Amino acid sequence: NAGVTQTPKFQVLKTGQSMTLQCAQDMNHNSMYWYRQDPGMGLRLIYYSASEGTTDKGEVPNGYNVSRLNKREFSLRLESAAPSQTSVYFCASRAPEPPGELFFGEGSRLTVL
Amino acid sequence: GENVEQHPSTLSVQEGDSAVIKCTYSDSASNYFPWYKQELGKRPQLIIDIRSNVGEKKDQRIAVTLNKTAKHFSLHITETQPEDSAVYFCAASTGAGGYQKVTFGTGTKLQVIP
Repeated sequence: NAGVTQTPKFQVLKTGQSMTLQCAQDMNHNSMYWYRQDPGMGLRLIYYSASEGTTDKGEVPNGYNVSRLNKREFSLRLESAAPSQTSVYFCASRAPEPPGELFFGEGSRLTVL
Repeated sequence: GENVEQHPSTLSVQEGDSAVIKCTYSDSASNYFPWYKQELGKRPQLIIDIRSNVGEKKDQRIAVTLNKTAKHFSLHITETQPEDSAVYFCAASTGAGGYQKVTFGTGTKLQVIP
């Protein structure tokens, strides 16, 4: 039981390049999330998916797109990376309530030069 | 939308002392308040949570209190140990059904000095 798996763990991009962060969970959870973590700013929600086939914007969606490929997988795409997108990205899935705990992946550290 | 404020941003305590981290939230519809611990270079992990129909919850050295009227909740760690050193995040959750939006505070870096 791997929980939430993210790839890649590290990535360096040049401004304007594109890339996709992959996320998969094996806990049969409906809800999945993408957060970014920046120093002093906590975890900010980029996009979420309440169930397979649905996605919606969070607090900071600009510059990102997502795909909920199936119940297990939720990917995050940067179409044209910018230095402001340098961050650590966490994917999470949520257990059904109660308790509704979030399970996070190990994180993906992205640097945009 | 929901706004969660967390204080202090950094906290240093001597080993064995208590640590208190406080959070306030803005949306009175929030009904679930988890706390996550993130060790350096690792993923956040749930350490304790509380629901809006409960005022206090304890789990060994960790306790959380909730004041719905004032819209604030706090994490209390007693008899701190070096392994408690980490960043702690509070969060508030609203909504119903299969999805609830989870909004995090900005985090508190706790340092326990041996």
